Amino acid sequence: QVQLVQSGAEVKKPGASVKVSCKASGYTFTSYDINWVRQATGQGLEWMGWMNPNSGNTGYAQKFQGRVTMTRNTSISTAYMELSSLRSEDTAVYYCARALWGYYDSSGYTDWFDPWGQGTLVTVSS
Amino acid sequence: QSVLTQPPSASGTPGQRVTISCSGSSSNIGSNTVNWYQQLPGTAPKLLIYSNNQRPSGVPDRFSGSKSGTSASLAISGLQSEDEADYYCAAWDDSLNGKVFGGGTKLTVL
Repeated sequence: QVQLVQSGAEVKKPGASVKVSCKASGYTFTSYDINWVRQATGQGLEWMGWMNPNSGNTGYAQKFQGRVTMTRNTSISTAYMELSSLRSEDTAVYYCARALWGYYDSSGYTDWFDPWGQGTLVTVSS
Repeated sequence: QSVLTQPPSASGTPGQRVTISCSGSSSNIGSNTVNWYQQLPGTAPKLLIYSNNQRPSGVPDRFSGSKSGTSASLAISGLQSEDEADYYCAAWDDSLNGKVFGGGTKLTVL
């Protein structure tokens, strides 16, 4: 079955970087974009950006520009999200998600996220 | 402050029909399709509705989505206790050139 399995929880100090992995299985990894979404405790979902595993092209939310880097290793069907200059406000669960469709059609831009990884808790604390 | 606006909470009794609204603007819902995600306590979000009103296989037909202008709605009929979860709407925003989510609606089954 189609599955995204993420790396384990991380504890980092302010100013450090964290790199979260997302291993895909059950489908052709290079055929679908991977998106990253985070969720602070008790808060809503916040989109961080997307990566095309085939080309390596990326697009980041303005809020994270300059601090986030999304990469991949196609030989092991794994996507990575690295966030630098961590601060306490970055404490959250980080999710990867496969994006389906991803085109402009008569209804406008259409894509949806399915499935999602199980999430990785990143705690930033001194 | 989320770009898409949802009521923070909703509730209903078993068997009832509830609706959750999602309000946006011309650059997101007004121009692009809307998705809905269900997040059960302590779990990752799960796709519930895509492309405004399409249900993935496995999602009961009790769940339905609609869109009109710059707003969208999720309706749940025949409410069940297992429907108690957080629900999020999402759409692409042409001005921000990114995906935007609603703040989420916590559904309580009384």
